[in-house]
Amino acid sequence: DAKTTQPTSMDCAEGRAANLPCNHSTISGNEYVYWYRQIHSQGPQYIIHGLKNNETNEMASLIITEDRKSSTLILPHATLRDTAVYYCIVRPRSGNTPLVFGKGTRLSVIA
Amino acid sequence: DVKVTQSSRYLVKRTGEKVFLECVQDMDHENMFWYRQDPGLGLRLIYFSYDVKMKEKGDIPEGYSVSREKKERFSLILESASTNQTSMYLCASSFIGTGSYEQYFGPGTRLTVT
Repeated sequence: DAKTTQPTSMDCAEGRAANLPCNHSTISGNEYVYWYRQIHSQGPQYIIHGLKNNETNEMASLIITEDRKSSTLILPHATLRDTAVYYCIVRPRSGNTPLVFGKGTRLSVIA
Repeated sequence: DVKVTQSSRYLVKRTGEKVFLECVQDMDHENMFWYRQDPGLGLRLIYFSYDVKMKEKGDIPEGYSVSREKKERFSLILESASTNQTSMYLCASSFIGTGSYEQYFGPGTRLTVT
């Protein structure tokens, strides 16, 4: 079973920031938080990951709470092409553990 | 760019047929994975392999087998296709994960069993 909880769906106006929350209250010290997204009819795509510090890359920012029990993925200026299902995944830092996907959040960016 | 390719984008097979889904990656990744995706159920792991000739069962291996004879190729086999195996099948690959870890996915094969 997935170890994360996400809202089923969210809407965001084009050009505004999209903030996608994720609860992972049972996360352990050696587990990372990963975010992937899946655009319709495509395979999932990696976005970002983090352990305890906030992270930023060209796609998004990841804010992890100090107790690491929740995180927020931020798309700073959402576009219509960001419409997708977003998955928050917790995974051990090392080893061969595959990604376990939950249901994710369906983000709809509206013009 | 990492590329994971799958042999077919769409496939239609009859009940009872033996079906082969092929996946090839070009980044010398040790790990390869097969998932299926169904509406309302999300992505579920069928099998994965962390080395040539090695395989591990995922969450839903029943009715499937796999083959990994070469590092770059991972095949999913449906020995006798059934209608409940109609689904989207996604292949992925990765390096052995330490620290940063990224699974790269192929475009998927939409299989219909009639």
